[in-house]
Amino acid sequence: DTEVTQTPKHLVMGMTNKKSLKCEQHMGHRAMYWYKQKAKKPPELMFVYSYEKLSINESVPSRFSPECPNSSLLNLHLHALQPEDSALYLCASSQDRFGLATETQYFGPGTRLLVL
Amino acid sequence: AQSVTQLDSQVPVFEEAPVELRCNYSSSVSVYLFWYVQYPNQGLQLLLKYLSGSTLVESINGFEAEFNKSQTSFHLRKPSVHISDTAEYFCAVSGNSGGYQKVTFGTGTKLQVIP
Repeated sequence: DTEVTQTPKHLVMGMTNKKSLKCEQHMGHRAMYWYKQKAKKPPELMFVYSYEKLSINESVPSRFSPECPNSSLLNLHLHALQPEDSALYLCASSQDRFGLATETQYFGPGTRLLVL
Repeated sequence: AQSVTQLDSQVPVFEEAPVELRCNYSSSVSVYLFWYVQYPNQGLQLLLKYLSGSTLVESINGFEAEFNKSQTSFHLRKPSVHISDTAEYFCAVSGNSGGYQKVTFGTGTKLQVIP
């Protein structure tokens, strides 16, 4: 099973709402990633979790709050977002053998977020 | 520092014609290159990758890419495209930054297959 699942598929929220995105994988991968992809742009890395610990925060605003409850789950909590945060949010995972550059990252289908 | 450049933002091609999607990379250390495909409203899927060894790598659906160190290129080719190949294609270079894998994507090339 090489599947990464993400819920919800679509999300519309107001600027005062609090919502969460969920990502799940059962491949035994120990690294999980959140990417943000704006329309017609490549994915941009937001966060990296390695062995359930936050390893990298690519200077993401605090209105995005990641959480890794266990090795299979990754959440992204959203609060007080801005319209410019509207994008496709992609989750990915990899085996993470000490951050080897040869690893393949497996992507989920993404959550399309619209902030009104 | 590592980067990839995809010069063509869109490539229209007729069905059953050959296609080449261009990718040039820049990397100061070992080079690991990937091609990912993104179908409309979906996530990214690995198409193929070059890690070492043979410079020609192939995917299961007829795509191939050749690693050319002297030209710092990793172009993607297919001899005969199908309508179902219509998608966005991202070239990417992978490295290690601060103990974690960092993948840098190109800006993408939209392949439009015309019936």
